[in-house]
Amino acid sequence: DAEITQSPRHKITETGRQVTLACHQTWNHNNMFWYRQDLGHGLRLIHYSYGVQDTNKGEVSDGYSVSRSNTEDLPLTLESAASSQTSVYFCASSDSPRETQYFGPGTRLLVL
Amino acid sequence: DQQVKQNSPSLSVQEGRISILNCDYTNSMFDYFLWYKKYPAEGPTFLISISSIKDKNEDGRFTVFLNKSAKHLSLHIVPSQPGDSAVYFCAASGAGGSEKLVFGKGTKLTVNP
Repeated sequence: DAEITQSPRHKITETGRQVTLACHQTWNHNNMFWYRQDLGHGLRLIHYSYGVQDTNKGEVSDGYSVSRSNTEDLPLTLESAASSQTSVYFCASSDSPRETQYFGPGTRLLVL
Repeated sequence: DQQVKQNSPSLSVQEGRISILNCDYTNSMFDYFLWYKKYPAEGPTFLISISSIKDKNEDGRFTVFLNKSAKHLSLHIVPSQPGDSAVYFCAASGAGGSEKLVFGKGTKLTVNP
C-alpha cells in the first residue's frame, strides 16, 4: 500500500543546531507540503513543492528550507533551530495541490 | 487574515446525538472544501469533501452542507460515537491563486458515552 512516512517521530535539539526532518511518500504524488501544528493556530503551511526541483514558501517559511531532488522525498531543514520552532510537523502529499492531501504521522520537535 | 474560520475550539455531545461542526470562509474564490479528522499523535486523515456545485454530500454517518451565499459549511455526524472524538479541521481551496488548501484552526469534538 502507498504511504507517507516521516522520521524521526520525536526529536529534541538545542537552540542554534541544524535539524533535518525527513518525509518520504510512495504515492508517486508530484505535490508535497510541510505544515506545523501549534495550539491555537491549526495547520500552517511552511513550504511546498509541485515537482522535482520546485519549491515554494508558505505562510511561515522563515527559518526553514526544503529541497526536492526526487519525487518521493521532501526533507525540511531548520537552519538554526529556535525555541519558537518547537512544534509538531506534518508532511503531506497530493495528486492535485487543491484536493485531498494525505498526511504523514508527524514529527514532534522540541528545541531547548 | 484568517480565510477559513472555525469559531468553536471545542464541542461536547452525548453518544447517539448529532454533532454539528461549523466552518466559515471569506475567500469567494474557494470552490472545494474538505474536512479532516485528527487523533492525538497521528496525522490528519481525510474525512469528506464537497465541491461548490453541490450543497450537500453524504458518506455514511457524515454529511457536509455548503451554503455558498453565507460562505458557510457544516459537518454533521449522526449518530455520534465515542470513537468520533478527535480534532476536526475544515479546509478550502479554489482557483485564481487559491489552489493550495487553507486550513481552519480546528474544533475538538468530545463524544461522551
